Amino acid sequence: KAGVTQTPRYLIKTRGQQVTLSCSPISGHRSVSWYQQTPGQGLQFLFEYFSETQRNKGNFPGRFSGRQFSNSRSEMNVSTLELGDSALYLCASNVGPGGVNSPLHFGNGTRLTVT
Amino acid sequence: QKEVEQNSGPLSVPEGAIASLNCTYSDRGSQSFFWYRQYSGKSPELIMSIYSNGDKEDGRFTAQLNKASQYVSLLIRDSQPSDSATYLCAAPSRAGSYQLTFGKGTKLSVIP
Repeated sequence: KAGVTQTPRYLIKTRGQQVTLSCSPISGHRSVSWYQQTPGQGLQFLFEYFSETQRNKGNFPGRFSGRQFSNSRSEMNVSTLELGDSALYLCASNVGPGGVNSPLHFGNGTRLTVT
Repeated sequence: QKEVEQNSGPLSVPEGAIASLNCTYSDRGSQSFFWYRQYSGKSPELIMSIYSNGDKEDGRFTAQLNKASQYVSLLIRDSQPSDSATYLCAAPSRAGSYQLTFGKGTKLSVIP
């Protein structure tokens, strides 16, 4: 079974630009979550989606947004990029209802560098 | 705000020794806990989950949960240099959610 797939793996953007990251969950997984990882803050939760609905949102500014499609694939968008947005962005999938205690499975991440 | 705390390390152990990694959590209602391993430049990989008080063993790994004391630990027996990585402890941020709160991780170095 294929794992969580994230594209692209690396991105270099300039301040003020916007970026869209993509995530395809494990087949059969209906929940997708996004995390930002930086050396100083560790893994921080961005959003969680299930059945195209955002269930939870972390403490990030409105420049960070996301969505989930009917095939469970998800995208996240960051507008007006700032230097501090440079991070590893991780997508994770989960089976969905009935699997609350089931773990998250992470993709390889997208390394975003803002210059 | 739920918190998960870990000693950042680094923790250095000789090859073949037992590595002991600890994690404390603030929410007494937390029911499930996960240990992830993250190699430098890679994404977190699940290695253990534990839901009940006591020990859970999987190969060289043993997870221990003590809900009364609100701590979770991970023991790695016969540590190998390939175990050198950052180990992340995580717990659900709220009941019924797949959102996890992660500790900042403990960096383990296994010295040959």
